[in-house]
Amino acid sequence: DIQMTQSPSSLSASVGDRVTITCRTSQSITNYLNWYQQKPGKAPELLIFAASNLQSGVPSRFSGSGSGTDFTLTISSLQPEDFATYYCQQTYSTPWTFGQGTRVEIK
Amino acid sequence: QVQLVESGGGVVQPGRSLRLSCAASGFTFSTYGMQWVRQAPGKGLEWVAVIWYDGANKYYADSVKGRFTISRDNSKNTVYLQMNSLRAEDTAVYYCARYNSGWYGALADYWGQGTLVTVSS
Repeated sequence: DIQMTQSPSSLSASVGDRVTITCRTSQSITNYLNWYQQKPGKAPELLIFAASNLQSGVPSRFSGSGSGTDFTLTISSLQPEDFATYYCQQTYSTPWTFGQGTRVEIK
Repeated sequence: QVQLVESGGGVVQPGRSLRLSCAASGFTFSTYGMQWVRQAPGKGLEWVAVIWYDGANKYYADSVKGRFTISRDNSKNTVYLQMNSLRAEDTAVYYCARYNSGWYGALADYWGQGTLVTVSS
């Protein structure tokens, strides 16, 4: 199985900050990496697919990059509605594993 | 609009069985794969199982392999998760999600609201 290492597990940031979350996989997954946002009590929502492609309707302040084993989710200017937990997931091979999640909190 | 509605959750004793259902609407169900993802209380997301659009292929997480079975009825626009030999560690909110696949791999673009399964004596 492909192991996912997401970091940090949590971070505190202020509105307007630039935030970066990383996801590392135990083997190359080319670009089969998605990012999801989850708010408390809600289902996850897709933000980025195939490492760097913005899902329709997602604000352009979100961006993704990377390939192989190292990936990054960046929020260019954190907004109040962005305080949530973020997960990466690989779909290169089953089981389609998730990262442990990164909780973004208000500083 | 796309809707996914899970049902069948509840409290069940260890070792017993439960079947979850996910009713889909707003899209051509028979042309999409479907998956189940769960989340234990206060924990992260855990992928559980996936079934191809035609039911020909099914894959499972190691933690549920041999105990859970994913299936679908395209005539009823419904995907199921049969859960046998339930354990306390299966306690979680279970989400069904539609997945889209292509050059981008696979992505879950629509999710249900989730149904809570509690395994306790």
